[in-house]
Amino acid sequence: NAGVTQTPKFRILKIGQSMTLQCTQDMNHNYMYWYRQDPGMGLKLIYYSVGAGITDKGEVPNGYNVSRSTTEDFPLRLELAAPSQTSVYFCASSSSLAGGPYEQYFGPGTRLTVT
Amino acid sequence: AQTVTQSQPEMSVQEAETVTLSCTYDTSESDYYLFWYKQPPSRQMILVIRQEAYKQQNATENRFSVNFQKAAKSFSLKISDSQLGDAAMYFCAYRTPSGGGADGLTFGKGTHLIIQP
Repeated sequence: NAGVTQTPKFRILKIGQSMTLQCTQDMNHNYMYWYRQDPGMGLKLIYYSVGAGITDKGEVPNGYNVSRSTTEDFPLRLELAAPSQTSVYFCASSSSLAGGPYEQYFGPGTRLTVT
Repeated sequence: AQTVTQSQPEMSVQEAETVTLSCTYDTSESDYYLFWYKQPPSRQMILVIRQEAYKQQNATENRFSVNFQKAAKSFSLKISDSQLGDAAMYFCAYRTPSGGGADGLTFGKGTHLIIQP
């Protein structure tokens, strides 16, 4: 059981370039999330999705876009990369079964550097 | 908005000893969930323990237990018989059940736990 997988593990971008971070989960979870973790900080929510075709903004959505065409996949798109987007990005998923507590399962993260 | 505060940036403990990591949170909700996640140098986020606010009994998972004080909005993690493999960043996290679980987690800034051999 792979759980939540993310690609790539590392990436260096030049300012102004674009890229897509891939996330796939095999647990049939409806809920998926993207977080970023800056040095010395906890994770902050970028976007989340409650199911295929439905996405919503989190705390820090500016500069990012998402789509959710299938239950398994939740890619994160960076347009016009800026140095402020240098961070570690985590994808997570959780069950939507009634009753909670809906703990989230995380992928291994992608370390992105924008120079 | 909810906030989570971890006031100890770093803690150090001798192997086999007990250590307690602190977490406080601010919310106007009466029903919510609290979590402790461990992040070793590999970066992987690993769930350590969870607590439902409506449960009065403190959660326990093997050597890990919590002291949940709802009125004080405090949620500390106790690690007994510390092992070298416990060395990691520990994050306290909060979420409400509103939205049926769709909401993301609110994290504290983390506590770096060092285990002295």
